[in-house]
Amino acid sequence: DQQVKQNSPSLSVQEGRISILNCDYTNSMFDYFLWYKKYPAEGPTFLISISSIKDKNEDGRFTVFLNKSAKHLSLHIVPSQPGDSAVYFCAASARSANAGKSTFGDGTTLTVKP
Amino acid sequence: GAGVSQSPSNKVTEKGKDVELRCDPISGHTALYWYRQSLGQGLEFLIYFQGNSAPDKSGLPSDRFSAERTGGSVSTLTIQRTQQEDSAVYLCASSLRGGGQGRHNYGYTFGSGTRLTVV
Repeated sequence: DQQVKQNSPSLSVQEGRISILNCDYTNSMFDYFLWYKKYPAEGPTFLISISSIKDKNEDGRFTVFLNKSAKHLSLHIVPSQPGDSAVYFCAASARSANAGKSTFGDGTTLTVKP
Repeated sequence: GAGVSQSPSNKVTEKGKDVELRCDPISGHTALYWYRQSLGQGLEFLIYFQGNSAPDKSGLPSDRFSAERTGGSVSTLTIQRTQQEDSAVYLCASSLRGGGQGRHNYGYTFGSGTRLTVV
């Protein structure tokens, strides 16, 4: 039973448009969520996180929305840039203190076309 | 060093052999994590070291997997009697301390990983 699901394995958007990456989770104990970006042959890099006490967190071009009732979160990137092309992982944990032991989704490969 | 260093970057081994994967965390980072990423899947937590505390081994998939962290710094992940399903990228991450660390910089730095292929 996969507790964190990223149902879209890939997404392609035009430069300048909005990229929306989706993530669903099933474990109601999860209350801390993170997004990572991964380029080929590199380790993941942290992008943005959100605690369940919030429904939105924004950092520059990146905004994460959390819908607790639907157990759904999304990452919005606007405007999208070609350098954003990477694999994006959604991760969830029960309490931020356990974030290093997060459960990860399988990732969505984002391609931003110039 | 400036980042988390993992070696080797690639390892091909025969089924049944033992392998050792090394992680050099950022100097001063007390928390160290090992993950595994199988093809087309997300990261799977394996083991967590925090300072001098007993490691959290709850993610290790079998008793063929073990890890050590010597002197609170370098860590070695050992896989005994490797199987083909062990083929994956093994990633190490370190942080100044475990847990959330702030709004803009979560503080976990990942290495580039070791790609293990068991043939």
